[in-house]
Amino acid sequence: DGGITQSPKYLFRKEGQNVTLSCEQNLNHDAMYWYRQDPGQGLRLIYYSQIVNDFQKGDIAEGYSVSREKKESFPLTVTSAQKNPTAFYLCASKTGDNEKLFFGSGTQLSVL
Amino acid sequence: QKEVEQDPGPLSVPEGAIVSLNCTYSNSAFQYFMWYRQYSRKGPELLMYTYSSGNKEDGRFTAQVDKSSKYISLFIRDSQPSDSATYLCALGGGSTLGRLYFGRGTQLTVWP
Repeated sequence: DGGITQSPKYLFRKEGQNVTLSCEQNLNHDAMYWYRQDPGQGLRLIYYSQIVNDFQKGDIAEGYSVSREKKESFPLTVTSAQKNPTAFYLCASKTGDNEKLFFGSGTQLSVL
Repeated sequence: QKEVEQDPGPLSVPEGAIVSLNCTYSNSAFQYFMWYRQYSRKGPELLMYTYSSGNKEDGRFTAQVDKSSKYISLFIRDSQPSDSATYLCALGGGSTLGRLYFGRGTQLTVWP
């Protein structure tokens, strides 16, 4: 059953703590993306990666870090430098053939 | 000026109504035009995908692209309560190949 799996579904962060959101895809897609969604704000791009071992900053990369060691995996770390991390985080992927983006089910991150 | 503008609504219509959702954009290089549907706290799902200009129909849904006016539309005929969701437009292509620009989303409620 092909798709994009995000975990956990809900995550709580204490002040000063780094947390990592997981994103795994078995669609054999080359490119992967992380978006942040705040109520009424639409989707804002955090980081994206078009090939393994390479990634680019999006529009709101400060306070976040990523790695792309495997084609299937693109974890996002929300660092303590991100002062307002409460949001719904979405991972997405696509092939290189077209611009159709497919999304995971999201992770809701909240601050304790 | 934002790349993509979309009225967030909310939009509330009775069952059976024709719904019109719209986005305007500023980048004339965009070639790929998409509509996503997002249910509350779920990942967006691709609803319609159009390359270049013109119309595309899929069941009760019709997507229109007017590149001369930089205006795209999604029409929903015979709307159903199950259509209640947030609809996001997404555009890409040209020099922005590899990433999409999203509208804020329009929240739609179809009441029985």
